Amino acid sequence: ILNVEQSPQSLHVQEGDSTNFTCSFPSSNFYALHWYRWETAKSPEALFVMTLNGDEKKKGRISATLNTKEGYSYLYIKGSQPEDSATYLCAFYGNKLVFGAGTILRVKS
Amino acid sequence: NAGVTQTPKFRVLKTGQSMTLLCAQDMNHEYMYWYRQDPGMGLRLIHYSVGEGTTAKGEVPDGYNVSRLKKQNFLLGLESAAPSQTSVYFCASKTGTYNTEAFFGQGTRLTVV
Repeated sequence: ILNVEQSPQSLHVQEGDSTNFTCSFPSSNFYALHWYRWETAKSPEALFVMTLNGDEKKKGRISATLNTKEGYSYLYIKGSQPEDSATYLCAFYGNKLVFGAGTILRVKS
Repeated sequence: NAGVTQTPKFRVLKTGQSMTLLCAQDMNHEYMYWYRQDPGMGLRLIHYSVGEGTTAKGEVPDGYNVSRLKKQNFLLGLESAAPSQTSVYFCASKTGTYNTEAFFGQGTRLTVV
């Protein structure tokens, strides 16, 4: 069984705080690492697909880094806003797409 | 362009009944996946398919069967539903290229009583 772990399980921050989450995954048979944003009562939507060691991706206030040699990825949110409240999922893509349990982010205004 | 469509959206089954969930995608994607979502456990992979006529087991395949007779459709079957199969089921599809994202359906909420 593939082990994709995310930490923390949940996070409560104040509006304006910056925050980061961790995703750890197997370093063998790696093709890509996905990050998804999942709002309540909606379907997950992709933020980033990262493939190369050292990759850095950015979309607005959200960015992600990738270390395939040690098997981890960080997702950063700068200046959190209430609309950032969601569950953030990472997924390891080897020969199948396996998700971590997610990090629940709640941003208080 | 509908993307990924799941049918039905909601269903209540009695223990022992059978049913089939349909996932249809109109993006000509090679790969399709079925997941179940349970509190605190994220998305767990049930079965997946890398092309028409192919299927493979995921992390939690027991109690489920799948078929991919047409490229655009991926069916998930429950032969004899159990209360432990109460969950929200999500289907996803993606191209066969490794660096592309997956697209999800809207989910099916299944309750087994």
